[in-house]
Amino acid sequence: QSALTQPRSVSGSPGQSVTISCTGTSSDVGGYNYVSWYQQHPGKAPKLMIYDVSKRPSGVPDRFSGSKSGNTASLTISGLQAEDEADYYCCSYAGSYPFVFGTGTKVTVL
Amino acid sequence: EVQLVESGGGLVQPGGSLRLSCAASGFTFSSYEMNWVRQAPGKGLEWVSYISSSGSTIYYADSVKGRFTISRDNAKNSLYLQMNSLRAEDTAVYYCARVVVSSFDYWGQGTLVTVSS
Repeated sequence: QSALTQPRSVSGSPGQSVTISCTGTSSDVGGYNYVSWYQQHPGKAPKLMIYDVSKRPSGVPDRFSGSKSGNTASLTISGLQAEDEADYYCCSYAGSYPFVFGTGTKVTVL
Repeated sequence: EVQLVESGGGLVQPGGSLRLSCAASGFTFSSYEMNWVRQAPGKGLEWVSYISSSGSTIYYADSVKGRFTISRDNAKNSLYLQMNSLRAEDTAVYYCARVVVSSFDYWGQGTLVTVSS
């Protein structure tokens, strides 16, 4: 099972929107509505930001939103804030494997 | 409050063994599926192993299959990872993580495993 493909980095100014893509196959992203997104600050454990493609856990700001089209899922951060600067990872259920992570994206707030 | 606390990491020589533990509290451990996820220094997240709530269903990543064994003791609210035949590429921070609806909703702080001579 290969890692899902994410851009290495994205950046934006405070207040802007950024979108991170996560491309897989019909065996993972495209086959299930079980894509999740994680935020990780340096030296910290990952934090769940989005699950089931577009659902937000309690406490996650509504600036974070998720979507999916075919084999590609996306995370959008609207109204970018300084504290959003972190690494972001997507993850998909993949049947009997059963989980595969993305390669990770560094978000920089300019 | 949900808490997951890993322990057992350390320095081990190539070919050696190590057993990681994850102590769970703040929730009904026996009702949840659990996983181990690792992160090599400066690298991304890699799913390692999954165990169902009862322990009857187990999966491993191809990179650790045949060398690592996941287990749990629901009476002790604990998750384990027995790691044998360790290689340099197994060097990583190992996290235990709870699964809810095919996503990892709570993570421990991680324990560092270093495989080096």
